[in-house]
Parts: sequence; C-alpha cells; structure tokens
Amino acid sequence: AQSVTQPDIHITVSEGASLELRCNYSYGATPYLFWYVQSPGQGLQLLLKYFSGDTLVQGIKGFEAEFKRSQSSFNLRKPSVHWSDAAEYFCAVGASTGFQKLVFGTGTRLLVSP
Amino acid sequence: ETGVTQSPTHLIKTRGQQVTLRCSSQSGHNTVSWYQQALGQGPQFIFQYYREEENGRGNFPPRFSGLQFPNYSSELNVNALELDDSALYLCASSSTGGPDYGYTFGSGTRLTVV
Repeated sequence: AQSVTQPDIHITVSEGASLELRCNYSYGATPYLFWYVQSPGQGLQLLLKYFSGDTLVQGIKGFEAEFKRSQSSFNLRKPSVHWSDAAEYFCAVGASTGFQKLVFGTGTRLLVSP
Repeated sequence: ETGVTQSPTHLIKTRGQQVTLRCSSQSGHNTVSWYQQALGQGPQFIFQYYREEENGRGNFPPRFSGLQFPNYSSELNVNALELDDSALYLCASSSTGGPDYGYTFGSGTRLTVV
C-alpha cells in the first residue's frame, strides 16, 4: 500500500529565504509523485508532478522537486520565498499501474515572516 | 477550458440527515474522484467513478455513495450524517489512459454537521 510522510507540520521561513519541504513515500514500484498547494478554504492546486525521466522536476511559481529513489523522497524546494507562498503544502503518491487514486500526506503549513 | 466546479460551497446539516454534493468535471475528463479532508488533515480518498461505474473505493462506509452521469458530472451522497462527517469534500477529475496522469481539483464543499 502507498503512504506518504511529511515530517514537518509547520515551517516558518523569512521572505526571500530558501525553502525545502520534506516528503517521504512508501510504494513498491516506481511511483507517481505530486506536490499540491492549498490556500485557506480553497481546493488543491497542482505545483508539479513526477512520472519518470529527469529526477529534477520544475513546477509553477518557481518551485522544483527532486525525486531520490534511494531515499524514497520527493522534497519540494524554492530558492526565494514570497509572502504569497504562505499556504498548506501536500505531497501525494499515486500508483504507476492500475487503479488511479492519490494518497496524501498530512501536509506542511508554510508561514512566511517579513 | 473550464475547471472543476463544485456546489454548494458551504452546507450545514443536522446529524442523521442526508446530503448530496455535486461536481462538474473539467472538459475532456471522464473520471471523477471524491476526497474528504478533515480539518488539519490531508485529503482521504472516498471513491472514484469511471464511465458511470464505481471503480475504486477507500475506507468509507456504505452510507457514502455516489453517481456519475453521462456528461461525467458526479454526485456524492452521504446518508445518516454524523458529526465526524464535517469536512471539506473535494472533487477531482482526470483523464484516464493518457500521459497526463493528474487530477484537477475543485474548490470543495465545506460540510458542517451539527
């Protein structure tokens, strides 16, 4: 069965500083991996996804993520955080074969300080 | 290209009542999934519909049921509401079989059970 762990419940970053949000997954085969962002009271917006190929994936809003099979990780990064990036971030894993569903982590709330 | 539309946006129901939530999928998408997101948690998969048939279900009781219509829109029905059913309900549509594996989420319906 698939599972996702986001070890950080909250992270506070100064505006302009770099960001890294951690995600570890469990899945028996090559997974499909996703990062979503959710603003308060809103739905989920896809930031980026990894299916195969280049392990460094570029997404929207200046985000990127790196798939590391040996560490079962898919960490999200951004070189310079803006105040508008304050939100909840969810990592999710999907099966690469068969039935499509996403298993989400519990999320990391990003706070941006001035 | 229209996105995923959910209605209503907010709903208050009394314990024991029944509720129906609606979702219009993104143009070109034939698969609809429903997720429940409790406060402070990641979304949990309820079930998925493809070509008007349920083709996968998460760990939710039978009082959670759904429908998909020929135009790929969908309904989520919950009977005998319990206080713990209070959550944000997210609908996501996707297109099966293609390389663009991914979901487009709606903004959700916030259900409060009192």
